[in-house]
Amino acid sequence: SQELEQSPQSLIVQEGKNLTINCTSSKTLYGLYWYKQKYGEGLIFLMMLQKGGEEKSHEKITAKLDEKKQQSSLHITASQPSHAGIYLCGAAVSGTYKYIFGTGTRLKVLA
Amino acid sequence: NAGVTQTPKFQVLKTGQSMTLQCAQDMNHEYMSWYRQDPGMGLRLIHYSVGAGITDQGEVPNGYNVSRSTTEDFPLRLLSAAPSQTSVYFCASRGPQNEQYFGPGTRLTVT
Repeated sequence: SQELEQSPQSLIVQEGKNLTINCTSSKTLYGLYWYKQKYGEGLIFLMMLQKGGEEKSHEKITAKLDEKKQQSSLHITASQPSHAGIYLCGAAVSGTYKYIFGTGTRLKVLA
Repeated sequence: NAGVTQTPKFQVLKTGQSMTLQCAQDMNHEYMSWYRQDPGMGLRLIHYSVGAGITDQGEVPNGYNVSRSTTEDFPLRLLSAAPSQTSVYFCASRGPQNEQYFGPGTRLTVT
């Protein structure tokens, strides 16, 4: 079965610092989705990547999907306390209706 | 658009009680699903539906029932609550590019 592994599991950074979160799939990805969950709330869809080499940005968050489509990275530039939360990657399992999620990366930004 | 709504936000049940968690979406999405989120376990799929009248089991369906009589509504029923069902429950609907939209969650405690 397909699995998504995220690293690191948790991250504490000083405000203003850059950071990267990785998501690695055990199989080829046909679509990779990034979500953010604020503590005690539901997940919010951030962005989607489908093509190998694709890169998308939203405000100070940039996500990339590598050429082989088995790894994605989420990069935050000049982090702010508002970036704090849990970041999860997700993927639709090819040939099924099912969806899988990574175990999440817990980000804390110190002011 | 209200997006995905869930009620109640919090619930405490005694072992053996039954209840229904409500979920509704106003985006006309065919695909809806229920997840539970537990510390260290990530998001696990309970049941899903690909359209009105069609439901199927996910990863952890035991102890839960669902029905889908309309596109908008997808309630989750706990038949006889057990302490192992203490969790945070999220309903989600899937958009045209497989991105998911989550409700705010229901925090359930079973004593």
